[in-house]
Amino acid sequence: SQQGEEDPQALSIQEGENATMNCSYKTSINNLQWYRQNSGRGLVHLILIRSNEREKHSGRLRVTLDTSKKSSSLLITASRAADTASYFCATDPTDSWGKLQFGAGTQVVVTP
Amino acid sequence: GAVVSQHPSRVICKSGTSVKIECRSLDFQATTMFWYRQFPKKSLMLMATSNEGSKATYEQGVEKDKFLINHASLTLSTLTVTSAHPEDSSFYICSAERQGWGEFTEAFFGQGTRLTVV
Repeated sequence: SQQGEEDPQALSIQEGENATMNCSYKTSINNLQWYRQNSGRGLVHLILIRSNEREKHSGRLRVTLDTSKKSSSLLITASRAADTASYFCATDPTDSWGKLQFGAGTQVVVTP
Repeated sequence: GAVVSQHPSRVICKSGTSVKIECRSLDFQATTMFWYRQFPKKSLMLMATSNEGSKATYEQGVEKDKFLINHASLTLSTLTVTSAHPEDSSFYICSAERQGWGEFTEAFFGQGTRLTVV
């Protein structure tokens, strides 16, 4: 069963705007990862945040993790048309090493 | 980052035939690989965990005789869809696990295989 649940399911914004998506999960985790998937392609790893970290940055990406609420957020700043993709969070549960549990994803469309 | 190559990227086959999909880790050794299935506009569903030198571990509801997994070396795992039917049409993605720093592992994904059974 999928553990992570993303919110919203779909997001449509204009270039230059920020895009924020959230992920909630249910069990204890070692880390949480965000991936991007272009239509019909494989997944590209964006960023990993460990369970003892609260915030992490990578370029235009900002990820937060709140283990007390079992939730994470991904912020893409100054979005570009090329950011159009589906974004998935994946948790690495403490009781099953390396067996990532994926959420349903957020489909982001950035219009020029 | 590490590279995982999945082949073929697309395959069309007739009902009743078998299809083999390969997943290779090109620049690292992967003792564990994972096979996922993804339906249109849906998330990835873990099918099985492939362990080098031992039998694969299948998730509940996945037929092991239908989806044969072989992990004969540290860089190659194969998924064979046997006696394929139209309902097996899907996007299949593999990932290879590499031990990262400290307590976490990193997963690197192949580009996926679009299987269409006609």
